[in-house]
Amino acid sequence: GQQVMQIPQYQHVQEGEDFTTYCNSSTTLSNIQWYKQRPGGHPVFLIQLVKSGEVKKQKRLTFQFGEAKKNSSLHITATQTTDVGTYFCAGLNQAGTALIFGKGTTLSVSS
Amino acid sequence: DSGVTQTPKHLITATGQRVTLRCSPRSGDLSVYWYQQSLDQGLQFLIQYYNGEERAKGNILERFSAQQFPDLHSELNLSSLELGDSALYFCASSVEGQRSTDTQYFGPGTRLTVL
Repeated sequence: GQQVMQIPQYQHVQEGEDFTTYCNSSTTLSNIQWYKQRPGGHPVFLIQLVKSGEVKKQKRLTFQFGEAKKNSSLHITATQTTDVGTYFCAGLNQAGTALIFGKGTTLSVSS
Repeated sequence: DSGVTQTPKHLITATGQRVTLRCSPRSGDLSVYWYQQSLDQGLQFLIQYYNGEERAKGNILERFSAQQFPDLHSELNLSSLELGDSALYFCASSVEGQRSTDTQYFGPGTRLTVL
């Protein structure tokens, strides 16, 4: 079946270092969404990418959607302790009826 | 605060039992989604309701069922509970749910522990 894979599963960085998580789908996606879940919290919507090759920025966060619309990435510049959490990508299934979530990348930041 | 409420926050029960989880969507949202989050399986989509009607089904077991009421709140019923059903259950809502661009707003979740 359709799968959305994320790597790495875990990443630990020193505060101020950069961080990137990658998302790959087994099929072409109509769009991709990114969510962040803080420890003990619930997923919170960050952004949606729709167009092939799209790049969007939110302050220190840069989101990219691949040209083939099968992969995406989230890059955080100069991480801060507030960036700690699990970042999920989610793509719509082929039927267009449900979001398929990746297993997430858990980021820890030490100061 | 996303505006989505879920009760109870925690639930501890025994194998074989039946429980009901409740969700109230954000004001004005017509769609409700249920997800199961466990350590090994990640966030798994269970089922979606739109304005009272079932719209999409994911990896939902036959022992589980859901419904959405006229006031748009939703309940997820889990029966014949097994140890492996222990997980966080999230409800999310969106304005419509008929378009792939809808943002989903997640509730705080219900942590279910089956002993």
